[in-house]
Amino acid sequence: DAKTTQPNSMESNEEEPVHLPCNHSTISGTDYIHWYRQLPSQGPEYVIHGLTSNVNNRMASLAIAEDRKSSTLILHRATLRDAAVYYCILRSGGGADGLTFGKGTHLIIQP
Amino acid sequence: DTEVTQTPKHLVMGMTNKKSLKCEQHMGHRAMYWYKQKAKKPPELMFVYSYEKLSINESVPSRFSPECPNSSLLNLHLHALQPEDSALYLCASSQDPHTYNEQFFGPGTRLTVL
Repeated sequence: DAKTTQPNSMESNEEEPVHLPCNHSTISGTDYIHWYRQLPSQGPEYVIHGLTSNVNNRMASLAIAEDRKSSTLILHRATLRDAAVYYCILRSGGGADGLTFGKGTHLIIQP
Repeated sequence: DTEVTQTPKHLVMGMTNKKSLKCEQHMGHRAMYWYKQKAKKPPELMFVYSYEKLSINESVPSRFSPECPNSSLLNLHLHALQPEDSALYLCASSQDPHTYNEQFFGPGTRLTVL
């Protein structure tokens, strides 16, 4: 599986936007970019995914670079509840392949 | 109902015990997964079931034995575990094994092996 690189941790203030970067320079043409997050003492939860175009949903936006070698998860207005570990994951193939988690980014939100 | 439930929440067992972890979903999902997560580490895939059949075993030791009795239920049978097997065991499900569906995770079972 292609590898992703994320900063170990990031800090942001409540009610401000947060941009979480992910590098995936060896991404292949069929790899989808998925983001999950894991709040303290909970299982991971799906955030968003995309292939080439930018994507928006109720939780976040995903901005994908034109060459697809990097992407950014955008939380438009962070709350204390968004403090979590955010994982950027590449998924290829069409089967039930499971998720290969990297180390993720620990997002700290200051009140 | 978009929930994956796992029982028990906590389990303490000795190295000679036999115990089972249970996972249930009623979303009609046909793929189910077991992950293991050690403290301060990311989850690691253990097993994948696709249409109730084991499709991926990530070289997991035989002291962990998965079972999928029906499309809603996934068990993980534990026998002769070691203290280093202490971890959070996460179950997940997804709708269709052949597409990029999101995975829904349960809250996990925190296992301690003495």
